[in-house]
Amino acid sequence: NAGVTQTPKFQVLKTGQSMTLQCAQDMNHEYMSWYRQDPGMGLRLIHYSVGAGITDQGEVPNGYNVSRSTTEDFPLRLLSAAPSQTSVYFCASSYPSGSEYFGPGTRLLVL
Amino acid sequence: GESVGLHLPTLSVQEGDNSIINCAYSNSASDYFIWYKQESGKGPQFIIDIRSNMDKRQGQRVTVLLNKTVKHLSLQIAATQPGDSAVYFCAENFNSGGSNYKLTFGKGTLLTVNP
Repeated sequence: NAGVTQTPKFQVLKTGQSMTLQCAQDMNHEYMSWYRQDPGMGLRLIHYSVGAGITDQGEVPNGYNVSRSTTEDFPLRLLSAAPSQTSVYFCASSYPSGSEYFGPGTRLLVL
Repeated sequence: GESVGLHLPTLSVQEGDNSIINCAYSNSASDYFIWYKQESGKGPQFIIDIRSNMDKRQGQRVTVLLNKTVKHLSLQIAATQPGDSAVYFCAENFNSGGSNYKLTFGKGTLLTVNP
């Protein structure tokens, strides 16, 4: 199993640009989540999904959209990038009430 | 609001010593707790978990203790090795039922192991 994969690994955007961070898992996990990690802030939940076709907001959802058309994929869309969205983004997946498996992260810089 | 926090942001130990990393949680309804290890430039990696119906769980060189009375969680690492140097996060899961599932992370403790 590849586990949780994320692309790209690094990305530089200009303010106002849009982009999609890709996340895929091959463990048939029902739950998938997106977190952002900022220095001294730990991991903060952006959006999560408990199954295909179901998404919900986390702690910091503003400026991000998600969709879950398949069990395997959970892309995160930045609609209009802002410098405040400079961060490291982690995707994770799990079984219900199980521990989450994290991807390697995407490092995003918004200029 | 509910939160998960750590008593010590940094911990420095000598190789071979035992390490104890502490975590306080405030949501008494949380029913599942996890410790993660994050090495520089990598995603968090699962170490050990414990459910609220237990007060102790052991893994390989690691033990998690849960004290529900004072809402405290700890991670004990035996015979700490240089490879244990990382940031350690505790996380709590409050499952309110149905489709509500949210894992809340603490801010992390940096463990440095000196050779």
